[in-house]
Amino acid sequence: DAKTTQPNSMESNEEEPVHLPCNHSTISGTDYIHWYRQLPSQGPEYVIHGLTSNVNNRMASLAIAEDRKSSTLILHRATLRDAAVYYCILQTFYNQGGKLIFGQGTELSVKP
Amino acid sequence: DGGITQSPKYLFRKEGQNVTLSCEQNLNHDAMYWYRQDPGQGLRLIYYSQIVNDFQKGDIAEGYSVSREKKESFPLTVTSAQKNPTAFYLCASSNLPVNYGYTFGSGTRLTVV
Repeated sequence: DAKTTQPNSMESNEEEPVHLPCNHSTISGTDYIHWYRQLPSQGPEYVIHGLTSNVNNRMASLAIAEDRKSSTLILHRATLRDAAVYYCILQTFYNQGGKLIFGQGTELSVKP
Repeated sequence: DGGITQSPKYLFRKEGQNVTLSCEQNLNHDAMYWYRQDPGQGLRLIYYSQIVNDFQKGDIAEGYSVSREKKESFPLTVTSAQKNPTAFYLCASSNLPVNYGYTFGSGTRLTVV
C-alpha cells in the first residue's frame, strides 16, 4: 500500500496560517492525495484532495510538489475549531479499488 | 439532509456474543466501507463494498462479517472470533469513481466486557 509520512504533532497560534507537511515518496502517477481531519470521538471529515495541480476550497489549500513526492495542507487562518488530527492519504486505484488507507496523522493544536 | 447514520452510538456486549452495527446512507453512494479505530491510532479498513451483493476484505477482516443486500445499508457483525473487539467503528460511503471523497458516519463505540 502507498504510504505517507507526517509529523506526529504540530502547534499553531490562532489566526495564523498553518502548513501541514506530508511526504509520499512512493506515490504513483495515478494516486490521488487526500486530506481528512478528525475531532475526538467523531468520524473523519473530508478536507481536500488533488492529483497534480494545487487545489483550493473554502476550508483549505493543497500545495503539491512538482515531483508529487510531497504535499502541504494550508489552513490560511487557524481557528480553535481547526484543532484536530489531520490525515494525509494516498488513494490508489490500481489493485486497490480506490480505497483510503489511513496512517497515524498529525495532531494539530491551536493556541489562543 | 443526506448523510450516513450509524447506530447505536455506544454499545456494550458481553464477551462471546455476536453484535451487529448498523450503517445506513441516503446519499445514493455506490461504495461503503467499515473502519476500526483504536485509541491514539489511525483508521484500519475492515471490509468494503462497491456494489450490492458484493464485498471485499480489508486489512483486518478476521472476526468480522458484512452484508450488502441494499445499496443504502452495510451492517457489520462483530463475531465472537474477534479477539479484541473493543474499539471505535466508523462507516463511510463514496461515489465511484471517488472524486469527492468519503463521507463518514459519527461512529459506534463498542465495549466488550
